Amino acid sequence: EVQLLESGGGLEQPGGSLRLSCAASGFPFSTYAMTWVRQAPGKGLEWVSTISASDITYYADSVKGRFTISRDNSKNTLYLQMNSLRAEDTAVYYCAKDQGDSGYYAIDDWGQGTLVTVSS
Amino acid sequence: AIQMTQSPSSLSASVGDRVTITCRASQGIRNDLGWYQQRPGKAPKLLIFSASSLKSGVPSRFSGSGSGTDFTLTISSLQPEDFATYYCAQDYDYPRTFGQGTKLEIK
Repeated sequence: EVQLLESGGGLEQPGGSLRLSCAASGFPFSTYAMTWVRQAPGKGLEWVSTISASDITYYADSVKGRFTISRDNSKNTLYLQMNSLRAEDTAVYYCAKDQGDSGYYAIDDWGQGTLVTVSS
Repeated sequence: AIQMTQSPSSLSASVGDRVTITCRASQGIRNDLGWYQQRPGKAPKLLIFSASSLKSGVPSRFSGSGSGTDFTLTISSLQPEDFATYYCAQDYDYPRTFGQGTKLEIK
C-alpha cells in the first residue's frame, strides 16, 4: 500500500523559509516522479512542482526561484524547500506520487497534506 | 499555459441520477487528462487517467471520455459518497494545470 506522509508545515512569517518533507513507502520510490500540489483555504488545486525519477525538475511560475524540490532516494523522502515565503503561499501542501517516471503521467496517490500558514 | 475550464462549477443532483461534468482544454492535449475526486477535508483521489482509463478500485459507475480539447466525466448512478468536488487536470505539458473544480451537491 502506497503511503505518503508529509511533515514540516506550520506558521512562518513573510520572507521566511520552511522545508516540507514527505516520507514515502509501499512502492519503489526511486522509479517514480513525485509532485507537490497545494490548495489555498477554500480554493481549488494548484500544481507546485514535480521531480522526475531522473531528477528533472519543473516549477509553477508562482514559485520558481523561491521553492526547490528535491528527493533522497536512500531515505525514500521528497522535499520542498520554500524560501521568501509570501502570504499567498498559505495552503495545504500535498505530496503526491505520479503514475510513471517522467513527470508526464497522472498524479496517482496523494498524502493527507500539511498546512503552511504565512502570516505576521 | 494550458487553461482547463470545467462546467458546470456546481451541480445539484439526487442519489441515482446520472451526471456529466465537462472539461475543456485551451489547446489540444491528446488524451493526457485525469479526473480527481476530493471530499471535504480530504486529499484528492485519482478516478480516471488517460481520459478514459478507470483507476483500479474505482467503482465502474465512473467513466471518462474525450480527446484533444473536450472531455467528460460521467457518473452513471450517483451514490451518497459521490457528493464531492471533482477536478480535471492535464499532464500533457508544463505547467500542469487543473480545472477550477465542480462541486457536486445533494439536491
